[in-house]
Amino acid sequence: EVQLVESGGGLVQPGGSLRLSCAASGFTFSTYWMNWVRQAPGKGLEWVANMNEDGGQKYYVDSVQGRFTVSRDNAKNSLHLQMSSLTADDTAVYYCARWKRDCTNGVCYGGYFDYWGQGTLVTVSS
Amino acid sequence: QTVVTQEPSFSVSPGGTVTLTCGLSSGSVSTNYYPSWYQQTPGQAPRTLIYNTNTRSSGVPDRFSGSILGNKAALSITGAQADDESHYYCVLYLGRGISVFGGGTKLTVL
Repeated sequence: EVQLVESGGGLVQPGGSLRLSCAASGFTFSTYWMNWVRQAPGKGLEWVANMNEDGGQKYYVDSVQGRFTVSRDNAKNSLHLQMSSLTADDTAVYYCARWKRDCTNGVCYGGYFDYWGQGTLVTVSS
Repeated sequence: QTVVTQEPSFSVSPGGTVTLTCGLSSGSVSTNYYPSWYQQTPGQAPRTLIYNTNTRSSGVPDRFSGSILGNKAALSITGAQADDESHYYCVLYLGRGISVFGGGTKLTVL
């Protein structure tokens, strides 16, 4: 059974830093792109960042570029999100989500979020 | 900046059919965006419903279907049930690892 379990959320002051983790199990972690998606209170979902299978490709939404860093440890089946210079706008539930792509003969197309964690709440407030 | 548009809210009668749409602020949605749809109830993680435009995720009832209607992606629910009352989000894949969520549609069944 695929499981994604986020941790590391909490209360942090504006300008502070926090590191989120996502522990993955039930699948071969090193063969999947992984994502962070967040949801501010009462708002919609927002894709934040992702990373390819070996960590060589990383992408971020513009609003976190330069402040957030995604990383992974394939030996420990874990995904991380290092967040710095946090503002109230970063207050949200942060979800870890697996990205499933269709691959044929080594060429991969598109994809979608096929499994989600339960999320961890980050609150930025003084 | 790419903006993905969805109806903010929609209502459907029990047993009725509803079609939610997912568009682009500029341009048309095609299968090349690999549209996917997610259902979320308050306090819960999203649940994957549809991917690659029209493929149902495992365990999703066949009353949920996806398509391209005109210049938008669409999610149709036939025979709506009370527990379909949720928020529905579409996602478009822009390539190079970038995905964009729509603002979500709050569906009321009444």
